[in-house]
Amino acid sequence: GENVEQHPSTLSVQEGDSAVIKCTYSDSASNYFPWYKQELGKRPQLIIDIRSNVGEKKDQRIAVTLNKTAKHFSLHITETQPEDSAVYFCAARGPYNQGGKLIFGQGTELSVKP
Amino acid sequence: NAGVTQTPKFQVLKTGQSMTLQCAQDMNHNSMYWYRQDPGMGLRLIYYSASEGTTDKGEVPNGYNVSRLNKREFSLRLESAAPSQTSVYFCASTSSGGSFFEQFFGPGTRLTVL
Repeated sequence: GENVEQHPSTLSVQEGDSAVIKCTYSDSASNYFPWYKQELGKRPQLIIDIRSNVGEKKDQRIAVTLNKTAKHFSLHITETQPEDSAVYFCAARGPYNQGGKLIFGQGTELSVKP
Repeated sequence: NAGVTQTPKFQVLKTGQSMTLQCAQDMNHNSMYWYRQDPGMGLRLIYYSASEGTTDKGEVPNGYNVSRLNKREFSLRLESAAPSQTSVYFCASTSSGGSFFEQFFGPGTRLTVL
């Protein structure tokens, strides 16, 4: 089955610096790759996603890139702010005949120091 | 719209007790999911229901059962709770039609098994 590896597990940056989180997936049939942000004690919330027919997507300070050949995708946060501090999860979605289920990475705890 | 709701928010059980976690969504979504979240393990899929009337095992189904009661409701049952089932449980839902893939999460149930 699908397996998603996420690195690093913790990341500490200074306010204003960039942060990059990387994920690899195993199933070449995966076609959708979301990123979720989870603040302490709260539910995961979608911040950006990318489909398999797109190489890059940007939304203000966050961007995601996808390399289908290498089966990896990355989250880029520029001009980090203290409110970006949270746990970030990547995920991969298999084909529809697998019920649209997501397989998540292990998470990255991002700390942005003022 | 309330989105995805879960009850209860917190629960403490003794080993061997049983309980049912309830989940409901008011977004007319076809697919629903149960995850557990443990420190350093990300979100792991327990069971999912791709559509009303169907359920399938996820990554970690042992010790759990589910019921898709109707299109809105998807419950998770622990028949004989064990300390290893201490976790935070999240329910999620998504529309399985068209190209809309985002999974929406409920607020979670924090379960402790003594």
